[in-house]
Amino acid sequence: DAGVTQSPTHLIKTRGQQVTLRCSPKSGHDTVSWYQQALGQGPQFIFQYYEEEERQRGNFPDRFSGHQFPNYSSELNVNALLLGDSALYLCASSSRRTPSYTGELFFGEGSRLTVL
Amino acid sequence: RKEVEQDPGPFNVPEGATVAFNCTYSNSASQSFFWYRQDCRKEPKLLMSVYSSGNEDGRFTAQLNRASQYISLLIRDSKLSDSATYLCVVNFSGYALNFGKGTSLLVTP
Repeated sequence: DAGVTQSPTHLIKTRGQQVTLRCSPKSGHDTVSWYQQALGQGPQFIFQYYEEEERQRGNFPDRFSGHQFPNYSSELNVNALLLGDSALYLCASSSRRTPSYTGELFFGEGSRLTVL
Repeated sequence: RKEVEQDPGPFNVPEGATVAFNCTYSNSASQSFFWYRQDCRKEPKLLMSVYSSGNEDGRFTAQLNRASQYISLLIRDSKLSDSATYLCVVNFSGYALNFGKGTSLLVTP
């Protein structure tokens, strides 16, 4: 049973560039959330996708956008990269059939983005 | 003010010690509470949920005080393998989880 997979694992970009990160959720899961984890910080919620629509969004600018595909996989896009966007980007999957109060998110190992 | 606040530590304890972590949250409408564990350069994983009545999972005990908006995690008989960062997590609404900065624990021989 494949867990959450993310790609790429590491990447380096320069300021002003754009990046796309990819995520495949755990088998049987239909909901994908994205989190940003800066060094020494806890993960911060970016947004969540379900049924190919953005359902909930955290306090992130419009430079951060996403997409969910019919097979439930997802992409995170960041435009006009800033130095402060350097972080570990975590994808988490869950099932809408699982009540939110269980808090059970399954995270991928993340994509580590460095912006120079 | 941060929505979820934790003492970042680090906590350095010998094997066999008992260690307690504390966490406070700002949103009184918070619905669910959890502790996640994150090993160095790995993804976070759910350790346990936290209930008002308190709950225990082996050497781990979690407590919630809604009136004080306070959450705790107690680890008894610490093992070397317990070394990790422990993240206090609160669900305000929907599926978004609010994570604290984490408390670093190092268990030494």
